[in-house]
Amino acid sequence: KQEVTQIPAALSVPEGENLVLNCSFTDSAIYNLQWFRQDPGKGLTSLLLIQSSQREQTSGRLNASLDKSSGRSTLYIAASQPGDSATYLCAVTETSGSRLTFGEGTQLTVNP
Amino acid sequence: DAGVTQSPTHLIKTRGQQVTLRCSPKSGHDTVSWYQQALGQGPQFIFQYYEEEERQRGNFPDRFSGHQFPNYSSELNVNALLLGDSALYLCASSRPGTGIEQYFGPGTRLTVT
Repeated sequence: KQEVTQIPAALSVPEGENLVLNCSFTDSAIYNLQWFRQDPGKGLTSLLLIQSSQREQTSGRLNASLDKSSGRSTLYIAASQPGDSATYLCAVTETSGSRLTFGEGTQLTVNP
Repeated sequence: DAGVTQSPTHLIKTRGQQVTLRCSPKSGHDTVSWYQQALGQGPQFIFQYYEEEERQRGNFPDRFSGHQFPNYSSELNVNALLLGDSALYLCASSRPGTGIEQYFGPGTRLTVT
C-alpha cells in the first residue's frame, strides 16, 4: 500500500526566505507526482506535475524535483511572500490508474 | 472555460440522514474522482467514475455510493450519516487515460450533527 509522508508538518518563515518542502513515498512504482496548494477551507490548486520519467519541473518561483528511485520529491519556493501562506500537499498517481494518494501536507506561514 | 464545479458549498445534516453532493467536471474531461478530506488531513480517495461506471474504489464502506451521468457530471451519495462523515468532499476531473493531471473543485463542506 502506497504511503506518502510530508515533512515538516508546519513551517513558519520570514518573508524573502528560500525554503524546501519534503515529500516521500514508499512505493517507487508511480506514474507521476503532483504538488498542490490549499488555502483554508478551499479546494486544491495544482502547482506542478512531474512525470515519473522527469527529474524536475519549474513554474515561476517554484521548482519541484523527483527522485523516483529513492521515493522522494522536494518543492523549492524562492523568495517567499506572505501570499505563499497555505498548506502544500504532494500526491502520487499509481501506474494502475489515476487515483491520487496524498500526504498530510505542510502548513506554511510566511511572516511579513 | 469553467473549471470543476461542486454544489452545494456547505451542508448541515443530522446523524442517520442521507446526503447527495454534485460535481460537474472541467470541459473536455470525462473522468471524475471523489475525495474526502477530514480537518487537518490529506484527502482520501473514495472512488472514480469513467464512462458511467465505478472504475476504482478506495477503502470506504458501501454507505458511500456514486453515479456518473452521460454528460460526465457525477453525484456522491452518503447514507446513514455518521458524525465522522463530517469533512470537506472534493471532486476532481481529468482527461481520458491514466496519470493525467487532475483538477479539483472548491469542495463541499459537510457537517453532521
